Amino acid sequence: NAGVTQTPKFRVLKTGQSMTLLCAQDMNHEYMYWYRQDPGMGLRLIHYSVGEGTTAKGEVPDGYNVSRLKKQNFLLGLESAAPSQTSVYFCASSYSLFGPNGQPQHFGDGTRLSIL
Amino acid sequence: DQQVKQNSPSLSVQEGRISILNCDYTNSMFDYFLWYKKYPAEGPTFLISISSIKDKNEDGRFTVFLNKSAKHLSLHIVPSQPGDSAVYFCAASSNAGGTSYGKLTFGQGTILTVHP
Repeated sequence: NAGVTQTPKFRVLKTGQSMTLLCAQDMNHEYMYWYRQDPGMGLRLIHYSVGEGTTAKGEVPDGYNVSRLKKQNFLLGLESAAPSQTSVYFCASSYSLFGPNGQPQHFGDGTRLSIL
Repeated sequence: DQQVKQNSPSLSVQEGRISILNCDYTNSMFDYFLWYKKYPAEGPTFLISISSIKDKNEDGRFTVFLNKSAKHLSLHIVPSQPGDSAVYFCAASSNAGGTSYGKLTFGQGTILTVHP
């Protein structure tokens, strides 16, 4: 049981290039999230999805797009990469956090992205 | 505006002693709090949580205390072990209106080092 898998693990891009980060979960979770972690900033929410075909903006959505075409996959896209997007990106998934069956988010191991 | 703050970037403790990690929040709508542990090159893993209707929650060596009036929570690890050395993040969420979808707001993290 893999949990949350992120690909790739590392990538170096040049400014202006585009790329897509893939997140896959095998726990049948409804909710999926993309965060970025920068030094001294903790994790900040970029976009999230509450179900297949739905997406919503988080705290820092500018410069990113997402898609959730299949329940198990959540894609994060950078259309025109900028040096400010150099970061470690984490994907997470969960059932509802609240209620009698509430569960915390499960995280992948991250994608380290450098934009030159 | 940092809604969740961990003001101590690092903490060093001797094996067998108590580790106390602190977290402050400003948003009075937060009603669920979590602690995550993160090793290098891995994603955060859930450690322990507490609902705002409680002031204490225990799980083995880990205890989380919540002081709602002070908007402060702390994580106690007793006894501390070298394997506890990691970055610890506190996170908060709000179920207000039932539309938070489990979104988490993270603190900056505290690096805990437990010396043998």
